[in-house]
Amino acid sequence: QKEVEQDPGPLSVPEGAIVSLNCTYSNSAFQYFMWYRQYSRKGPELLMYTYSSGNKEDGRFTAQVDKSSKYISLFIRDSQPSDSATYLCATLSGSARQLTFGSGTQLTVLP
Amino acid sequence: GAGVSQSPSNKVTEKGKDVELRCDPISGHTALYWYRQSLGQGLEFLIYFQGNSAPDKSGLPSDRFSAERTGGSVSTLTIQRTQQEDSAVYLCASSFAISTDEQFFGPGTRLTVL
Repeated sequence: QKEVEQDPGPLSVPEGAIVSLNCTYSNSAFQYFMWYRQYSRKGPELLMYTYSSGNKEDGRFTAQVDKSSKYISLFIRDSQPSDSATYLCATLSGSARQLTFGSGTQLTVLP
Repeated sequence: GAGVSQSPSNKVTEKGKDVELRCDPISGHTALYWYRQSLGQGLEFLIYFQGNSAPDKSGLPSDRFSAERTGGSVSTLTIQRTQQEDSAVYLCASSFAISTDEQFFGPGTRLTVL
């Protein structure tokens, strides 16, 4: 079993829709959770960063962590075609604080 | 300001050849990470540097892989006797320190082994 599992997608939605992206993780010791966005042929860029449980909101994006169920979510409101990208959930672990990523969900927002 | 840069952006090589991939981190970042992104394995951690030191090499896929960092800045990832399964995008990231600081990624080097 991978440490971080992510819904495989791909996901296609109409412009303006609410998007829900989800991951689960196996190690209850994980404390830091991230969402990265990766456009085609580019490196990942940090979108949201949360510590422990709870919600964090930034504009149209909301990150949610439920440590009791080991569940991580990212919600995108009023989705735009420019949101079309691959979204990767990740946790920080190890002495190196390396990132452990989910497999990524490819999102397409249709105009 | 300048972000993380990597070179070359694309590399096509023949099986059995050696390749060197270069990473220039953000100035002042002491921590540097190498990751590999492939269709089958997703994005996986390879090795990290704190300054010029790489304390743990266990993430490297085989002994054909090595990495070094000099002057606390530029890092090179070397793959000897390349195999087709080495084909992937190699990503470098840097952060201010080994901590919970954000890791900033470069655009990657796309390696194709024929």
